[in-house]
Amino acid sequence: DVKVTQSSRYLVKRTGEKVFLECVQDMDHENMFWYRQDPGLGLRLIYFSYDVKMKEKGDIPEGYSVSREKKERFSLILESASTNQTSMYLCASTTLPENTEAFFGQGTRLTVV
Amino acid sequence: GNSVTQMEGPVTLSEEAFLTINCTYTATGYPSLFWYVQYPGEGLQLLLKATKADDKGSNKGFEATYRKETTSFHLEKGSVQVSDSAVYFCALKSSNTGKLIFGQGTTLQVKP
Repeated sequence: DVKVTQSSRYLVKRTGEKVFLECVQDMDHENMFWYRQDPGLGLRLIYFSYDVKMKEKGDIPEGYSVSREKKERFSLILESASTNQTSMYLCASTTLPENTEAFFGQGTRLTVV
Repeated sequence: GNSVTQMEGPVTLSEEAFLTINCTYTATGYPSLFWYVQYPGEGLQLLLKATKADDKGSNKGFEATYRKETTSFHLEKGSVQVSDSAVYFCALKSSNTGKLIFGQGTTLQVKP
């Protein structure tokens, strides 16, 4: 069974903390994505990576960075967490051909207090 | 850049009613189009897809046709059930970059 695993389901962090969200996939996929999901705004792309050490900004990269040192792992970093980064964060992975579906993790509900 | 626009929800229907959720897109090249569904408390999962113009994707009684002339990919179901209550997301995947872009999501509530 294919799997995308996010390291935490729920996180509570303080304002100003550095936060790491981890995502691991076991399908040898080239592309990996980080989205945030907010009511009424849908899924907004933060960053995506199309290869190891390669990344591209999405629509809302401000306040975030990413790391992809190994093909199976894609990390999202909040350099200094703020309350407006309280959200549901979703990781996804997919292969290169445009007709292939993406697989999603269960999501991490992050609350910044 | 590429974008996806969905009709705003929530959509509330009675069981056995006909469902349409509108989705239009803007894209360069020849993207593939997808509908994903998120049931309460669960992650996103693929509902159906279409990879080229005039293709029809179908699954679990849902259908959507890739219309290049109107840049649309509307989701339809002839008779909804309470178990179809969920959030539905339209998405496109770029043929150039593999980038996956989603619409805003439409919440469907089906009442018995």
